[in-house]
Amino acid sequence: DVKVTQSSRYLVKRTGEKVFLECVQDMDHENMFWYRQDPGLGLRLIYFSYDVKMKEKGDIPEGYSVSREKKERFSLILESASTNQTSMYLCASSQSGSLNYGYTFGSGTRLTVV
Amino acid sequence: QQQVKQSPQSLIVQKGGISIINCAYENTAFDYFPWYQQFPGKGPALLIAIRPDVSEKKEGRFTISFNKSAKQFSLHIMDSQPGDSATYFCAANIPGTALIFGKGTTLSVSS
Repeated sequence: DVKVTQSSRYLVKRTGEKVFLECVQDMDHENMFWYRQDPGLGLRLIYFSYDVKMKEKGDIPEGYSVSREKKERFSLILESASTNQTSMYLCASSQSGSLNYGYTFGSGTRLTVV
Repeated sequence: QQQVKQSPQSLIVQKGGISIINCAYENTAFDYFPWYQQFPGKGPALLIAIRPDVSEKKEGRFTISFNKSAKQFSLHIMDSQPGDSATYFCAANIPGTALIFGKGTTLSVSS
C-alpha cells in the first residue's frame, strides 16, 4: 500500500520556536507538496518541489521554508512559529510526467502554536 | 484568475438523494479538474477527475459534469449514503504547477 507519512499527528509548539514538519513518501514520486488546511479556506499551497534540492513558492510561503535533500523526503520548516500558523498541515506527492495528476496525501499534522 | 470557487459551503441531503456540488473557474489554461474526498482525521483522497475535452465522466455513483463554455464543473453523487458524509474539494491544474483547491463542501447525508 503506497503511502505518504507525516511524522507527527499532533504537535504543540511555543511562539518563536523553530518547527520541523517531516514528510516521507514511498512511491518514488518526483513531486511533493505542502498545503495548510483551515476551516472555510480550503487547502492553500505553501511550497512544492519537482525534484531533489528544488523548490517553488506557493500562494502563502511567508514564514515557511522547505528542504528536499532526498527524493522521498520533504520537510516544512517554520522559522519562528507564530499563533497564526496554528493549522492542519498536509503533505502530498504525485508522479511527474503522467496524465494522472492524482495526489496522494498524508493524514496531516495538526500544529498548535501557543 | 487562479481561483476555483466552490459552492455550497455545506450541504445536507437525505439518504438516497442526489448531492450536487459546484465549482467555477476563470483561467482557461486549467486542463485537469479533480475532486477529492476527505473524511475526518484523514488526508484528502482522489475521488474522480475530468479533462476539458469531455463533458461528463461517471464512476459508480459519482459523476462529474463539465461545461467548458461556462467554465463550470460539478460533482453529482447519486443515491447518497451516510458513508458519503465527508468534505469534498474541487481542484484545477495548469500543467507544470500545483493543484489549486476550492474551499470545500461539507456533505452530511442523513439516514
